[in-house]
Amino acid sequence: GQQVMQIPQYQHVQEGEDFTTYCNSSTTLSNIQWYKQRPGGHPVFLIQLVKSGEVKKQKRLTFQFGEAKKNSSLHITATQTTDVGTYFCADGGTSYGKLTFGQGTILTVHP
Amino acid sequence: DTAVSQTPKYLVTQMGNDKSIKCEQNLGHDTMYWYKQDSKKFLKIMFSYNNKELIINETVPNRFSPKSPDKAHLNLHINSLELGDSAVYFCASSQDSGLGNTIYFGEGSWLTVV
Repeated sequence: GQQVMQIPQYQHVQEGEDFTTYCNSSTTLSNIQWYKQRPGGHPVFLIQLVKSGEVKKQKRLTFQFGEAKKNSSLHITATQTTDVGTYFCADGGTSYGKLTFGQGTILTVHP
Repeated sequence: DTAVSQTPKYLVTQMGNDKSIKCEQNLGHDTMYWYKQDSKKFLKIMFSYNNKELIINETVPNRFSPKSPDKAHLNLHINSLELGDSAVYFCASSQDSGLGNTIYFGEGSWLTVV
């Protein structure tokens, strides 16, 4: 079935450093969603990308959808300790509202 | 007001027992889900209901039986619990079952089977 591969699995950064997580699919995605899960919390929707080459920004977060719509990335500029958590990409293009999640990237930010 | 609420939040039980997790959403959404998150944080869909009708059943053992009495509720009953059932179970909802819907998750139910 459709798989979405996400790397890296873990990322440790010093506060103030940048962070990027990547999501790749072997097939074209109709749309991709990003979620953040704080430690002990639940996944919370961040953004959805639909168009080829789309770039969206939320403050220090930049989301990109590849030209071929087979990959996506989330970049955080100047990380803060509040950015800790697991970031998931999800293929939102399968049937019946089903989201297929990537494995997630666990981000740790050292003060 | 919590949009998607599930109870209990924590559940510790012995192997072989039967347990239920309840979920309610007050968003007026048509579609509800159960997701399982394992110890490696992997999130996988188990079931989806649209207006009380089962639309997704993802290769889940038949010890797991969802029930949706109305579109605002989706409960999960688990029979004969096994050690491998230990996980976090998230209830979720979306406006409908169309493509690209945002999913709203409940706070999770931490199930530990001993």
